[in-house]
Amino acid sequence: DVKVTQSSRYLVKRTGEKVFLECVQDMDHENMFWYRQDPGLGLRLIYFSYDVKMKEKGDIPEGYSVSREKKERFSLILESASTNQTSMYLCASSILDLRNEQFFGPGTRLTVL
Amino acid sequence: ELKVEQNPLFLSMQEGKNYTIYCNYSTTSDRLYWYRQDPGKSLESLFVLLSNGAVKQEGRLMASLDTKARLSTLHITAAVHDLSATYFCAVDIKNAGNMLTFGGGTRLMVKP
Repeated sequence: DVKVTQSSRYLVKRTGEKVFLECVQDMDHENMFWYRQDPGLGLRLIYFSYDVKMKEKGDIPEGYSVSREKKERFSLILESASTNQTSMYLCASSILDLRNEQFFGPGTRLTVL
Repeated sequence: ELKVEQNPLFLSMQEGKNYTIYCNYSTTSDRLYWYRQDPGKSLESLFVLLSNGAVKQEGRLMASLDTKARLSTLHITAAVHDLSATYFCAVDIKNAGNMLTFGGGTRLMVKP
């Protein structure tokens, strides 16, 4: 079974803090993704990575950066957290094949005060 | 820009009834996915539809894909309370780096 884990289930931070969200997958998947999920807006792609040290912007990259130094780990960074970044953050991974099926981690609910 | 629309957004139904959730998308795609999300939980993959005419079934759920109409359906047969969840469809654009675009979700409540 594919396992995607995220470093925290719940996180509370203050405005202006630097926040790191970490995601680890154990199936040697090439692709990794960060989404945020907000009521009424569905899932929106922030960034994705198709290889180590490679990254591509998604639909809403502003205010975020990412890091992929190892294949199994993809980090999302909020350089200076703001209240409008309060959200559920979901990480996913997929293998480069015909199915391109994404497997999701449990999510991190981030609250920025 | 790819748009993915689901309807209805909210569905309340009695146990034992049948219903269909629709997923329309605006750009050519050969791959469509259905996910389930329980409250406070992450997304669980239900179906992967890879070609026109594809039909997949698991228990009381059946998904189909018509790429010419740019439409997928998720049909629920004889609903039970355990099917209560939010269902998302997602579409894969060819040559777009394996990115998925998600529909807004359909919140399904099955009443006893």
